[in-house]
Amino acid sequence: DGGITQSPKYLFRKEGQNVTLSCEQNLNHDAMYWYRQDPGQGLRLIYYSQIVNDFQKGDIAEGYSVSREKKESFPLTVTSAQKNPTAFYLCASSGREAISPLHFGNGTRLTVT
Amino acid sequence: GQQVMQIPQYQHVQEGEDFTTYCNSSTTLSNIQWYKQRPGGHPVFLIQLVKSGEVKKQKRLTFQFGEAKKNSSLHITATQTTDVGTYFCAGIPGNQFYFGTGTSLTVIP
Repeated sequence: DGGITQSPKYLFRKEGQNVTLSCEQNLNHDAMYWYRQDPGQGLRLIYYSQIVNDFQKGDIAEGYSVSREKKESFPLTVTSAQKNPTAFYLCASSGREAISPLHFGNGTRLTVT
Repeated sequence: GQQVMQIPQYQHVQEGEDFTTYCNSSTTLSNIQWYKQRPGGHPVFLIQLVKSGEVKKQKRLTFQFGEAKKNSSLHITATQTTDVGTYFCAGIPGNQFYFGTGTSLTVIP
């Protein structure tokens, strides 16, 4: 059953710690994305990758880092430099066709105290 | 920069009433997509509009793309409790998705 898996569903960290959110897809999609969702602000793009070993910053990349060593995987690291990291993080992927729909994972809710 | 505005932010309706959410872009879009996110869930793709003036229907849902390809709307006829959730538009001016802020729909039984 194809899909996108994000883990864990809930994550708690102390301020000052880096944390890595996992995203794995078995849809054979080329493009992968990370979005942040805050109440009343919709989805904001953090990073995206269209091919392996390449990625671009989105609108709110500061304080985040990513890697794309494998087609299936696109982990997101929330660093201590991110001023307000508590949020709902969504990973998505899309196919090769021009403007394919986004397929989202179930999300990771990160709480930093 | 690119902006996609969506109104209203919240809408409460009695079950059986109609509902409409509007999406407006500051620039011309090549495509627009609509997604639905149930409470506690993740966004799920509903439909994509490509052509100027395009209208598409999915049962009680009607989607429109404006003639200038800068605005779009989603209309739900005779809402049901299963329609509860947040509806997002995603404007695509080039090869990036710009999401609207979403409209949260509450349906009162």
